[in-house]
Amino acid sequence: AQSVAQPEDQVNVAEGNPLTVKCTYSVSGNPYLFWYVQYPNRGLQFLLKYITGDNLVKGSYGFEAEFNKSQTSFHLKKPSALVSDSALYFCAVLSGGGGADGLTFGKGTHLIIQP
Amino acid sequence: SAVISQKPSRDICQRGTSLTIQCQVDSQVTMMFWYRQQPGQSLTLIATANQGSEATYESGFVIDKFPISRPNLTFSTLTVSNMSPEDSSIYLCSATGGWKDTQYFGPGTRLTVL
Repeated sequence: AQSVAQPEDQVNVAEGNPLTVKCTYSVSGNPYLFWYVQYPNRGLQFLLKYITGDNLVKGSYGFEAEFNKSQTSFHLKKPSALVSDSALYFCAVLSGGGGADGLTFGKGTHLIIQP
Repeated sequence: SAVISQKPSRDICQRGTSLTIQCQVDSQVTMMFWYRQQPGQSLTLIATANQGSEATYESGFVIDKFPISRPNLTFSTLTVSNMSPEDSSIYLCSATGGWKDTQYFGPGTRLTVL
């Protein structure tokens, strides 16, 4: 069975500084990895995904993530944080075993950008 | 990307009653899913809604409690039956055009059971 770990409940970053939100995963087979963001009282919005190819994936709102197979990680990054980036971020994995499986989510990380 | 709507957006229900949540996608999709997000928690997959056949439930979720229908490629319903306060959660549907494609989510239905 697959699993996702987000080791930090909360990350605090000053506006303008780089940010990193950590994610590690465990799957049997090839991992297919996703990042979503949830703003208060709103559904999940897709940010980016890794399926295959380049290990550095670029997504919406200036976010990017680096897939590292040896460390089984898929950390979310942004070079310069904005106050509007403050939200709840979820990492998710789809196992590579095929079939009609849904996503397995991490517990989420609250990102707080301080002005 | 698919645009997904859900009805109702929120509801407050009495213990022992049932609520049916509707999910509508603006285009035909291959797969639809239902998730639960309990207060302050992450999302947990309830089931895969299969068109024309019974839904596929995850461990810990059963058809009698969460019956699901998917009559066509753009619509699905989730019923929360015989509700208790523990069922108070946000219920979200998602849809995707293919297994490795991006899943897009509806805005969620916030359910409170008294």
